[in-house]
Amino acid sequence: GQNIDQPTEMTATEGAIVQINCTYQTSGFNGLFWYQQHAGEAPTFLSYNVLDGLEEKGRFSSFLSRSKGYSYLLLKELQMKDSASYLCAVLDSNYQLIWGAGTKLIIKP
Amino acid sequence: DGGITQSPKYLFRKEGQNVTLSCEQNLNHDAMYWYRQDPGQGLRLIYYSQIVNDFQKGDIAEGYSVSREKKESFPLTVTSAQKNPTAFYLCASSIDIGTGANVLTFGAGSRLTVL
Repeated sequence: GQNIDQPTEMTATEGAIVQINCTYQTSGFNGLFWYQQHAGEAPTFLSYNVLDGLEEKGRFSSFLSRSKGYSYLLLKELQMKDSASYLCAVLDSNYQLIWGAGTKLIIKP
Repeated sequence: DGGITQSPKYLFRKEGQNVTLSCEQNLNHDAMYWYRQDPGQGLRLIYYSQIVNDFQKGDIAEGYSVSREKKESFPLTVTSAQKNPTAFYLCASSIDIGTGANVLTFGAGSRLTVL
């Protein structure tokens, strides 16, 4: 079966750095997405990786290793507004999105 | 501003009733989707549509129905046959399906509670 694993919850301190991991086992691979979702709101797109390596976008970076079935989202200079759930999703060989359950990130002052 | 509008945001239903959730987009996207979100689980696909007058079942289509009569609109009906309908429902759209960078734009969601 297809599976996406990410930690259920993480806690970090304002101003610090946090890394949210995502491992996947899917039928084929056509890219990996990270979305941010504040409680009770719509998920919003953060990043897309299809090739190995690090993609940097401001305070957020996303890394992919296809051979290891592994990605991480790196958040730097954490702000209170970064408190949210972070969803990892993989596009499989049929271009269907397989979603992880999300990681709830709690930022403490 | 372009986006997706879902309504209502909150909905209460008695058992045995059908309810329809509205989803409208003005992004000129061809593809539209309905997802269900439950605590501790990933998003699960209910139905999706690539073009007008065509739609496909997702992973959990039983107890749901959709229509796509207009490009902008993709309403979801939760029927009385759905055994556990209490959930957060998300509508989304994308430019198309079948390309890699298939970024989804989501609506704000509709929370359905069955009393």
